[in-house]
Amino acid sequence: SAVISQKPSRDICQRGTSLTIQCQVDSQVTMMFWYRQQPGQSLTLIATANQGSEATYESGFVIDKFPISRPNLTFSTLTVSNMSPEDSSIYLCSVKTGGEQYFGPGTRLTVT
Amino acid sequence: EDQVTQSPEALRLQEGESSSLNCSYTVSGLRGLFWYRQDPGKGPEFLFTLYSAGEEKEKERLKATLTKKESFLHITAPKPEDSATYLCAVQAVGLAGANNLFFGTGTRLTVIP
Repeated sequence: SAVISQKPSRDICQRGTSLTIQCQVDSQVTMMFWYRQQPGQSLTLIATANQGSEATYESGFVIDKFPISRPNLTFSTLTVSNMSPEDSSIYLCSVKTGGEQYFGPGTRLTVT
Repeated sequence: EDQVTQSPEALRLQEGESSSLNCSYTVSGLRGLFWYRQDPGKGPEFLFTLYSAGEEKEKERLKATLTKKESFLHITAPKPEDSATYLCAVQAVGLAGANNLFFGTGTRLTVIP
């Protein structure tokens, strides 16, 4: 299994600003993912972040809006840039290890 | 079109009243079907992965089964602490991104004492 922590756990931000979310894993993992869970909806994959390569973004998500860093095998960041109220959501870090996929506690973002 | 559908959307059970949650999927090349539990304000908690039709897995009061078209999460003699949203997700060759988990919208389970 894997234990994942995220910072911050929640934040309220103003329109037009940016927020960087940190994800820390208690073991080295190759595959790390960032998901979004909008109010009342299920989880949607934003991007896959593997150490040593650029992140791979899913359809509808772009690097300029959601830049990702993956400096080592236990850490990643997701930045939500130039935020609008539509970005209000829960952002979740996830890792795959041993054929199983685990999620962090999430970061609840509210954009006003 | 690839799709994952969970039913019912919400389920209320009396404590001890067994029932099943359904996850039906239409994907090509299933690589795995995942069940998660999500409590309010928290990230999904991993429960099971099923890989092939006929496979079953159990954990305490939960049992997950898989056919070629659907999966069931059976809850036996549930307790109030089993109240949560249960999410189903599939990973398939046909889905965009080989490692993408495609989630259903979940079943919100409430167990009444």
